[in-house]
Amino acid sequence: AQTVTQSQPEMSVQEAETVTLSCTYDTSESDYYLFWYKQPPSRQMILVIRQEAYKQQNATENRFSVNFQKAAKSFSLKISDSQLGDAAMYFCALPSKLVFGAGTILRVKS
Amino acid sequence: EAQVTQNPRYLITVTGKKLTVTCSQNMNHEYMSWYRQDPGLGLRQIYYSMNVEVTDKGDVPEGYKVSRKEKRNFPLILESPSPNQTSLYFCASRDRRIQETQYFGPGTRLLVL
Repeated sequence: AQTVTQSQPEMSVQEAETVTLSCTYDTSESDYYLFWYKQPPSRQMILVIRQEAYKQQNATENRFSVNFQKAAKSFSLKISDSQLGDAAMYFCALPSKLVFGAGTILRVKS
Repeated sequence: EAQVTQNPRYLITVTGKKLTVTCSQNMNHEYMSWYRQDPGLGLRQIYYSMNVEVTDKGDVPEGYKVSRKEKRNFPLILESPSPNQTSLYFCASRDRRIQETQYFGPGTRLLVL
């Protein structure tokens, strides 16, 4: 079975600071992708960043980066220079089987 | 414009009254899926489909049915809704390549009284 676990139901960060959201997963596949999605209050789902398992280099998209630890099956999301617009629910996902974690609510304080 | 549409967006119904939530995508995607989103539980997959006439159960299929007669449509059917099916429902589609993102519909908020 493929599972995705997000152990932080809620996180807070001060504007302009850095925050890390945790995700662990389990899969029997040898090659796979991992995604982070953002869901703002509008409820739309926005792909933030993706990582391919066989690539050792951590993915980066502007202020968003991941720390991918394949052996530990860990896939955390780091948001640098946090902005008010980053406030949302964040989901970690295994796209091959369309499995999502429970989500982490990120609050950004001004 | 590439999109996934769902109808209705909001629905209030009563226990036992059959309902269908439609989902349609215009991107010629093979994969389509239905999720329900509940507080603290994230997105849980109800059913998914890898292609026309091919459907499989997800994590929480009980009380739901789906069909995939055409590539673009993937309706979700609640034959006899119950209050524990009150939730926010999302339809999604994606290309067969797993590195491609899923496209999500706008969501359907269902209340079963």
